[in-house]
Amino acid sequence: DAGVIQSPRHEVTEMGQEVTLRCKPISGHNSLFWYRQTMMRGLELLIYFNNNVPIDDSGMPEDRFSAKMPNASFSTLKIQPSEPRDSAVYFCASSLKPGNTEAFFGQGTRLTVV
Amino acid sequence: KQEVTQIPAALSVPEGENLVLNCSFTDSAIYNLQWFRQDPGKGLTSLLLIQSSQREQTSGRLNASLDKSSGRSTLYIAASQPGDSATYLCAVKGDSGGSNYKLTFGKGTLLTVNP
Repeated sequence: DAGVIQSPRHEVTEMGQEVTLRCKPISGHNSLFWYRQTMMRGLELLIYFNNNVPIDDSGMPEDRFSAKMPNASFSTLKIQPSEPRDSAVYFCASSLKPGNTEAFFGQGTRLTVV
Repeated sequence: KQEVTQIPAALSVPEGENLVLNCSFTDSAIYNLQWFRQDPGKGLTSLLLIQSSQREQTSGRLNASLDKSSGRSTLYIAASQPGDSATYLCAVKGDSGGSNYKLTFGKGTLLTVNP
């Protein structure tokens, strides 16, 4: 398996623009996570999907952030409008199921909002 | 709320040395604990997964231990090499609130192994 695939790897955008980050989880994995990594706060969970259904979005910082999982092999994280403080590395991760299973992370998308 | 602390924040050692990285967590109601490696500008690579019922896991030169009751884990790296230089992250899954999916991460230990 190719692992968790994220695109793009790098994104530079101007403040106010819409940004869409994409993720393809490992085939057969039912749990999908979006994390954000910053120097100040480290890695934080933004949203968790199980079987394509959002279960926990309490980590989504503001209404400007939204995430979808239209099918088992694709998820998006959208920021609209983007702000400079959204600059961070965004990771997608997947695991076979909740509970005592291992999480696998993608390579991340480095977002810079200028 | 689960909190994870990693000590030290940074560590520099000469090649060949054995070393220990420490991780502590506040809530012992965990499902498992994972150690990750992160190279600069890259993603997270899973190194070892320890289930809550286990005491340790080994992979090559790496050995991770877990003492759930005291909220501690250690990652032991034997005979360190320059290629081991990276940030090592500890993450625990679960808490007393019943979450069986959320990984809570420490801030990591930046390891530098000097040739």
